[in-house]
Amino acid sequence: EPEVTQTPSHQVTQMGQEVILRCVPISNHLYFYWYRQILGQKVEFLVSFYNNEISEKSEIFDDQFSVERPDGSNFTLKIRSTKLEDSAMYFCASSRDYSYNEQFFGPGTRLTVL
Amino acid sequence: DQQVKQNSPSLSVQEGRISILNCDYTNSMFDYFLWYKKYPAEGPTFLISISSIKDKNEDGRFTVFLNKSAKHLSLHIVPSQPGDSAVYFCAASFGNNAGNMLTFGGGTRLMVKP
Repeated sequence: EPEVTQTPSHQVTQMGQEVILRCVPISNHLYFYWYRQILGQKVEFLVSFYNNEISEKSEIFDDQFSVERPDGSNFTLKIRSTKLEDSAMYFCASSRDYSYNEQFFGPGTRLTVL
Repeated sequence: DQQVKQNSPSLSVQEGRISILNCDYTNSMFDYFLWYKKYPAEGPTFLISISSIKDKNEDGRFTVFLNKSAKHLSLHIVPSQPGDSAVYFCAASFGNNAGNMLTFGGGTRLMVKP
């Protein structure tokens, strides 16, 4: 069964450093998302992406964040200058087409900012 | 932000019995609802969804009920199996079209005892 994959599974970085989290969505999916879950808190929406453009973004997704689909398979989330409060699980998700909002999630990347 | 709430942090059920997980929402603009299951160290796994034009949707052992007037939905698992032990999240979106953000509840940990 096709699945969303994410790398790395765990990323440790120093405050102020740039990180790039990578995702490979399900191959025939057209919509891509990033969510995060801070320890002990809810899963929160960050951004949705379609046709090489951001469709929607939350207040969390400020100028420090950016997303890119650099090729036909990868979808990346970049945090330019990490802060301690960026420490969280970051989940990538994808959905098939316009009519279905069933979003399929990857296993997540645990980001630890020291 | 408490637009989607799961008031029971945990639920324990005997194998073979029914599990009922509840979810309340406050925003009447939500019109599409989803349930996800999450095991430790994995991403959320889509289980079942329901549009606001319906009050029930069934898929095998899983049934979701929606009471729009009460802004309440529930997930029934019958019969419960030990492998169902996981954290269950309800989520809501504005419309069933892809690209729409999901707003998650805080989750309910289900434990099914053999």
